[in-house]
Amino acid sequence: QSVLTQPPSVSGAPGQRVTISCTGSSSNIGAGYDVHWYQQLPGTAPKLLMYGNINRPSGVPDRVSGSKSGTSASLVITGLQAEDEADYYCQSYDSSLSGSIFGGGTKLTVL
Amino acid sequence: QVQLVQSGAEVKKPGSSVKVSCKASGGTFSSYSISWVRQAPGQGLEWMGRIIPILDIPKYAQNFQGRVTITADKATSTAYMELSSLRSGDTAVYYCATGGGGRNFDYWGQGTLVTVSS
Repeated sequence: QSVLTQPPSVSGAPGQRVTISCTGSSSNIGAGYDVHWYQQLPGTAPKLLMYGNINRPSGVPDRVSGSKSGTSASLVITGLQAEDEADYYCQSYDSSLSGSIFGGGTKLTVL
Repeated sequence: QVQLVQSGAEVKKPGSSVKVSCKASGGTFSSYSISWVRQAPGQGLEWMGRIIPILDIPKYAQNFQGRVTITADKATSTAYMELSSLRSGDTAVYYCATGGGGRNFDYWGQGTLVTVSS
């Protein structure tokens, strides 16, 4: 069971908007630690999608955005495209565990 | 731009150990943190530990304390992860990545499949 909780799956039609949530606690997200997001295509290594809660690495389109509030964070993808179909993971740091933690992952299906 | 190239797939017997390497190029090896993350088949990502080569001090996730050893060779810009007392549940793809300690993981290796089977 992951320390950060994500919905197992979300889906949307092309062009629509989806939100993936990541819920933590007072020892991780609620303690002020940054949340980062990764996209993983089948058979490949994870790729950094969002860092420091709201920052996009070079090459990530601006239809992808992130936010953080309290003990939760969210990843929003607008204008869904077939190429967005992948697994998405949130990541942060936990002071009780003294280490990095991941969410269980969310499978995004583009209908 | 940092590139991380990992060693090849391994098949191990239960109870044995495995050592996976991760060779870095680009950037300054000693200055960034190298973490190890594993992913069991069909499962999520799990952080195992990290090392900052310039300090040569590893830090391990509680779940792996006593079974994992992470080292770094500054001369060859290579990090290593050794996991002992292998069991079938350790069958996974093992990734090295730069980052950790609250920071994001910027660059990832291609992954190394370790299969534990009798």
